[in-house]
Amino acid sequence: QSALTQPRSVSGSPGQSVTISCTGTSSDVGAYDYVSWFQQHPGKAPKPMIYDVNKRPSGVPDRFSGSKSGNTASLTISGLQAEDEAEYYCCSHAGSYTWVFGGGTKLTVL
Amino acid sequence: EVQLLESGGGLVQPGGSLRLSCAASGFSFNNYAMSWVRQAPGKGLEWVASAGVPAGSTVYANSVKGRFTISRDNSKNTLYLQMSSLRVEDTALYYCAKRTSGWSFDSWGQGTLVTVSS
Repeated sequence: QSALTQPRSVSGSPGQSVTISCTGTSSDVGAYDYVSWFQQHPGKAPKPMIYDVNKRPSGVPDRFSGSKSGNTASLTISGLQAEDEAEYYCCSHAGSYTWVFGGGTKLTVL
Repeated sequence: EVQLLESGGGLVQPGGSLRLSCAASGFSFNNYAMSWVRQAPGKGLEWVASAGVPAGSTVYANSVKGRFTISRDNSKNTLYLQMSSLRVEDTALYYCAKRTSGWSFDSWGQGTLVTVSS
């Protein structure tokens, strides 16, 4: 149950695109198409942004997209907006009804 | 609208016990698995435990196995987390999360803070 690996921080200017990576193992990210991404603003609960690698919950803008290759999943945010500045966490099902989260990535909109 | 309201957090000494509750509303509680996820101050999210729909189907993170017990009362639409032998490193904001029909979490409460300190 080791945490998934995410970059500590990423940044981009308004209108640009950024990609956040999430690296796991063949027992979690690589084994299942059950990677989720959550956005968390300071003092707030996590908000689901992506589930099942690339599906968006209702209400999430299509600027947010997800993908996966091997043991690494990615979240891409295009057309960056000021309100996208937040912490982002990936999460993967890891078998036997367990889950593992990434350490989080701080997105700064310059 | 799905609502999850956690309660029961507080200050407890190392070695002590605490029981958290999560009152659920806005969905058929007995049809969905539920989980506890925690976040230490300034740190990332950590999955703690899950309670499935069939009674008795519980799973724990290695870090809490043998010390925490997750349970649910479907008649009260409430999820619980009984925590014992608490350690300083258990200090965190504890979130209740509703699992989707698949393998993600689609609703979260606002959390209840547990502080373990002497």
